[in-house]
Amino acid sequence: AQSVTQLDSQVPVFEEAPVELRCNYSSSVSVYLFWYVQYPNQGLQLLLKYLSGSTLVKGINGFEAEFNKSQTSFHLRKPSVHISDTAEYFCAVSVMVSGSRLTFGEGTQLTVNP
Amino acid sequence: EAEVAQSPRYKITEKSQAVAFWCDPISGHATLYWYRQILGQGPELLVQFQDESVVDDSQLPKDRFSAERLKGVDSTLKIQPAELGDSAMYLCASSRTANTGELFFGEGSRLTVL
Repeated sequence: AQSVTQLDSQVPVFEEAPVELRCNYSSSVSVYLFWYVQYPNQGLQLLLKYLSGSTLVKGINGFEAEFNKSQTSFHLRKPSVHISDTAEYFCAVSVMVSGSRLTFGEGTQLTVNP
Repeated sequence: EAEVAQSPRYKITEKSQAVAFWCDPISGHATLYWYRQILGQGPELLVQFQDESVVDDSQLPKDRFSAERLKGVDSTLKIQPAELGDSAMYLCASSRTANTGELFFGEGSRLTVL
């Protein structure tokens, strides 16, 4: 079975600073990888996904992530954050099998301070 | 833009009472998911439907939880009787297929059991 570990439960940063949210996964087979964002009292929204091809994927709101197969990582980055980026971020993995379940990490709370 | 609709947004109930949540997925999405998200944790899959059939309910507490999607469109998740530990956000999501993990989430139903 696959699993996801988000290495930081909380990340505080100042506005306009760069940020990296770390995610490691475990799976014995090839995977699809995702980052979702959740604003308070709302559902989750897809930020970006890695299915195949280029290991650097770009998503919405200026976020990007890099798939590193040797490190089994999929870290999320943004060069300059805004107050509006304050939210909970979830890394998720599914294996390349039809009907595979999506497994989420525990989440990282990103707080952007003025 | 099409959205996943859920109701109610908030529900407060006393333990041992029955509670039900409703979800209407994006039109044309064959796969429907119910997730439970306990405060401070990532979502956990309760049940996955492909059209009207259950394809994964391994994490559903079947002694008190039930889910149905009778016509392969909208779905209902029921809890009877509710227990204190059921307090959580119940998220519905849908996807066009079950192959890639790109899910569209509703805003969720927050349950508080007193």
